[in-house]
Amino acid sequence: AQKITQTQPGMFVQEKEAVTLDCTYDTSDPSYGLFWYKQPSSGEMIFLIYQGSYDQQNATEGRYSLNFQKARKSANLVISASQLGDSAMYFCAMISGANNLFFGTGTRLTVIP
Amino acid sequence: KAGVTQTPRYLIKTRGQQVTLSCSPISGHRSVSWYQQTPGQGLQFLFEYFSETQRNKGNFPGRFSGRQFSNSRSEMNVSTLELGDSALYLCASSYTTGSRSGNEQFFGPGTRLTVL
Repeated sequence: AQKITQTQPGMFVQEKEAVTLDCTYDTSDPSYGLFWYKQPSSGEMIFLIYQGSYDQQNATEGRYSLNFQKARKSANLVISASQLGDSAMYFCAMISGANNLFFGTGTRLTVIP
Repeated sequence: KAGVTQTPRYLIKTRGQQVTLSCSPISGHRSVSWYQQTPGQGLQFLFEYFSETQRNKGNFPGRFSGRQFSNSRSEMNVSTLELGDSALYLCASSYTTGSRSGNEQFFGPGTRLTVL
């Protein structure tokens, strides 16, 4: 069975600093994908970054990068140069086999000016 | 390219009623998935439709159903509403079904359902 664990209910970061949001996963499927989504208070889930289990390099998208450590089954999100608009809930999710996402419980990030 | 749209955005119903929510995927996307988000249970998968066929189903009672039309638009229906059905219902579209690189799911703004 697939499982996603986010152990940080809340995180604070100073504006312009970098922050790492933790995510560990568990699956017996050798082929899987890992996602990070941002959910502002409006409710919409915004796709940030994707990492496939066979990808050799860590994914990057602008200020977002994914620190993928396959042996440790971790897929941490790194946000560089935090902005006030980054304050939101962040969800790690996994997909394997069927096309449905398993989500973690989320981390609420607050950026302090 | 327009994103995923969901209607209505907000809905208030009473126990025992039924409700239909609509989702229009990104143009060219053929897979539509539905998720329920509640404070207690978090985000849970309801079902996925691809080419008008239900491909995958989560662990929800039969009161939750859905369908997909030939233009890939999807509807989900909840009958005999219960207080616990109050939630944010999110729809996501992707180009095809199955997990693979390039088949990322993109979400709509959600429908917030309140059951009184």
